[in-house]
Amino acid sequence: GQNIDQPTEMTATEGAIVQINCTYQTSGFNGLFWYQQHAGEAPTFLSYNVLDGLEEKGRFSSFLSRSKGYSYLLLKELQMKDSASYLCAVRAGGIHDMRFGAGTRLTVKP
Amino acid sequence: EAQVTQNPRYLITVTGKKLTVTCSQNMNHEYMSWYRQDPGLGLRQIYYSMNVEVTDKGDVPEGYKVSRKEKRNFPLILESPSPNQTSLYFCASSLTGLGGFYEQYFGPGTRLTVT
Repeated sequence: GQNIDQPTEMTATEGAIVQINCTYQTSGFNGLFWYQQHAGEAPTFLSYNVLDGLEEKGRFSSFLSRSKGYSYLLLKELQMKDSASYLCAVRAGGIHDMRFGAGTRLTVKP
Repeated sequence: EAQVTQNPRYLITVTGKKLTVTCSQNMNHEYMSWYRQDPGLGLRQIYYSMNVEVTDKGDVPEGYKVSRKEKRNFPLILESPSPNQTSLYFCASSLTGLGGFYEQYFGPGTRLTVT
């Protein structure tokens, strides 16, 4: 089967750093995406990794290890508006073959 | 403004009454897809389309139909809705091509309740 696993919920404090992990087992691998989804809204793209290593984009960074089937999203200097669900998705094959995790709901507290 | 639109945004209907959820994108994307999102299950693909007149089943196609007569539109049809189709539905689109990175753009979602 194909599995994308991520924690269901996390809580962190405003101004802190939080790391959201994602592990995957898929039939193939053609890139890993992170999306942010505020409650009741559409997912919006955050980051993309296809090679091992760290991709940094402002306050957000994403890391990939293909050999371990592992990724994480790092959020720095947390703000209240970062309270949202974060979806890990793996493109297992062609462009149509996207597999989504159930999402991690992050709550940022003052 | 580049966007994916869906209509309606909210719909309450009864079992068996045919309905259509429209999806339109203005980015000239070849690829379009429909997902449903249920608590604890994540986004699951219903149908996708690689281009006009080219559609294929995703992971959960039972009870749904789609068509792609024009590049910009990709309606989702429920011929005889049932309560287990109560869900949040998202349409998405992206460019296609060999290799490379193509993010999907999502519509605002349609919350469907079937009683």
